[in-house]
Amino acid sequence: DADVTQTPRNRITKTGKRIMLECSQTKGHDRMYWYRQDPGLGLQLIYYSFDVKDINKGEISDGYSVSRQAQAKFSLSLESAIPNQTALYFCATSKKGGETQYFGPGTRLLVL
Amino acid sequence: QKEVEQDPGPLSVPEGAIVSLNCTYSNSAFQYFMWYRQYSRKGPELLMYTYSSGNKEDGRFTAQVDKSSKYISLFIRDSQPSDSATYLCAMSPVGRGSTLGRLYFGRGTQLTVWP
Repeated sequence: DADVTQTPRNRITKTGKRIMLECSQTKGHDRMYWYRQDPGLGLQLIYYSFDVKDINKGEISDGYSVSRQAQAKFSLSLESAIPNQTALYFCATSKKGGETQYFGPGTRLLVL
Repeated sequence: QKEVEQDPGPLSVPEGAIVSLNCTYSNSAFQYFMWYRQYSRKGPELLMYTYSSGNKEDGRFTAQVDKSSKYISLFIRDSQPSDSATYLCAMSPVGRGSTLGRLYFGRGTQLTVWP
């Protein structure tokens, strides 16, 4: 089984809808991250969490919110989706004190 | 200006060629340097990891860091069609609090190795 899983893998939604992307990990890592990837722009950090009680905004947090329900679960919500949030979304994890991050398979989101 | 600059390519080479991928950066606090490989429709996977300056070799892959020039490279020897992917450089500063552990990515270079 994969160490970092994301659900759903693909999602189509309409402008104005609220959606949630979920991430689970079995690596036992404390730290979790949400990124979006757009063609030509690379990976941009949305939010990150160093433990259950620690949530931090990344480079592009506007329009997004997160919830760290447990050490192993980190959810990303789009409160009111808009078309320019169409992108590939990745969850990643790292251990405390570690610099390397381990990525999930991604969620492909299309907002119409 | 982004903190990490990477030529997005695309780069197309014949099988067996030596490939050179590069990134430059502006933040002198970066101490940890990584290369990730991302196949189409997959998540990035860690390929190489180095700390501070110097070289690191792993099979056909060599990572170089030149902190005086703020320049890192990834060399691929005897490139194979299976190396076709997007390669992203990433780096992390030594810091405290919320900066510790954050990664700063380049845009990625798309590489195609044709048979």
